[in-house]
Amino acid sequence: EAGVTQFPSHSVIEKGQTVTLRCDPISGHDNLYWYRRVMGKEIKFLLHFVKESKQDESGMPNNRFLAERTGGTYSTLKVQPAELEDSGVYFCASSQDFLAGLETQYFGPGTRLLVL
Amino acid sequence: AQSVSQHNHHVILSEAASLELGCNYSYGGTVNLFWYVQYPGQHLQLLLKYFSGDPLVKGIKGFEAEFIKSKFSFNLRKPSVQWSDTAEYFCAVKRGRATSGTYKYIFGTGTRLKVLA
Repeated sequence: EAGVTQFPSHSVIEKGQTVTLRCDPISGHDNLYWYRRVMGKEIKFLLHFVKESKQDESGMPNNRFLAERTGGTYSTLKVQPAELEDSGVYFCASSQDFLAGLETQYFGPGTRLLVL
Repeated sequence: AQSVSQHNHHVILSEAASLELGCNYSYGGTVNLFWYVQYPGQHLQLLLKYFSGDPLVKGIKGFEAEFIKSKFSFNLRKPSVQWSDTAEYFCAVKRGRATSGTYKYIFGTGTRLKVLA
């Protein structure tokens, strides 16, 4: 079974540019999460999709961040325009059966974003 | 503020030494607890998890963790570390409301473990 994949693995952009990160969850996982880790800090929750619906986007930093999950499969996270403080590692995770309370999240390798 | 605390940011051990990494959380009520590990160049992997029942949880690669509710702790242990345990370890708490269907993981800042051969 393929794991969670993310693309690109690295991205270096200039301040003001736009970047789109992609996450492909494990097939059949309805839940998809985005997290971000700024260097040396904790991994912070950004948002949670259940299928194509945003269940919780309380962690999104501001309106420069837009996440979509059309069709309930892969998800994209767009940062427009990017700022220096957006640099970090963006993780995606997926899971199933969260209502049963036995959910385990499976993480992707992350996308390292550097904004210059 | 509610949080997950990992007090050891960097730990250096020799092979065969015993390991204990601290994790404390500040949430009341029912919590689900996790330890994840990220080996160099790899993605986060689940080491072990606690949902209910026996507070001593055994995970992969000889790791275990003990949930002590009165201390709000979920410390990770391994009796004898190996060089291959060099990695970053993250404690996490799952918080949410089943009725609303919203769940999120709250992570600690991570502990970098280096095991010397």
